[in-house]
Amino acid sequence: QSALTQPASVSGSPGQSITISCTGTSSDVGSYNLVSWYQQNPGKAPKLMIYEVSKRPSGVSNRFSGSKSGNTASLTIAGLQAEDEADYYCCSSAGSSTFVFGGGTKLTVL
Amino acid sequence: QVQVVQSGAEVKKPGASVRVSCQASGYTFTSYYIHWVRQAPGQGLQWMGIINPSGGNTNYAQDLQGRVTMTRDTSTSTVYMELSSLTSEDTAVYYCARVVNSWFDTWGQGTLVTVSS
Repeated sequence: QSALTQPASVSGSPGQSITISCTGTSSDVGSYNLVSWYQQNPGKAPKLMIYEVSKRPSGVSNRFSGSKSGNTASLTIAGLQAEDEADYYCCSSAGSSTFVFGGGTKLTVL
Repeated sequence: QVQVVQSGAEVKKPGASVRVSCQASGYTFTSYYIHWVRQAPGQGLQWMGIINPSGGNTNYAQDLQGRVTMTRDTSTSTVYMELSSLTSEDTAVYYCARVVNSWFDTWGQGTLVTVSS
């Protein structure tokens, strides 16, 4: 499977909103409402932020939200904070118990 | 609490094999699939494969087929990932993660595997 396509980097100022896109195909993102998003800080394991396109795990700020349209999923972070600076990865089921990740997006809080 | 704990860092020579372990605790081991994901230095996450701890059945990423083997030991709640014919391109941090339905909710701390002559 080919990796999902994410922008290499996005940036925003504190308080602003940013959106990270994640584009796949009709075989993965477009076929399943099984997109999840992960935050990764340097030297740390990824942390689940969004699952099943738009659901938030307990303990994740409601500033994080997810959506999907066609073959593209999106993660939006509202009210940007310095602590949000990290790498973000999307992930989608690709059928038959296989998964594919996005290439990752580095978020910089200016 | 739910956790998965991995074995320590490894240094291997090209052509060798490596086995990384992932021990689960805090939940019923056989109730959740375990996936393996790796991350080369400065690169993104790459899904490697899945094992069902209950029946032991597996599914691997196409580009690793023939080189990766995932097994489990239900008596110790441990999953193993073995990768053979190592090259420098296999240098990476290897993660195991518990999957609930379709999302990775609990990750191991990562195991650095360095392939160097």
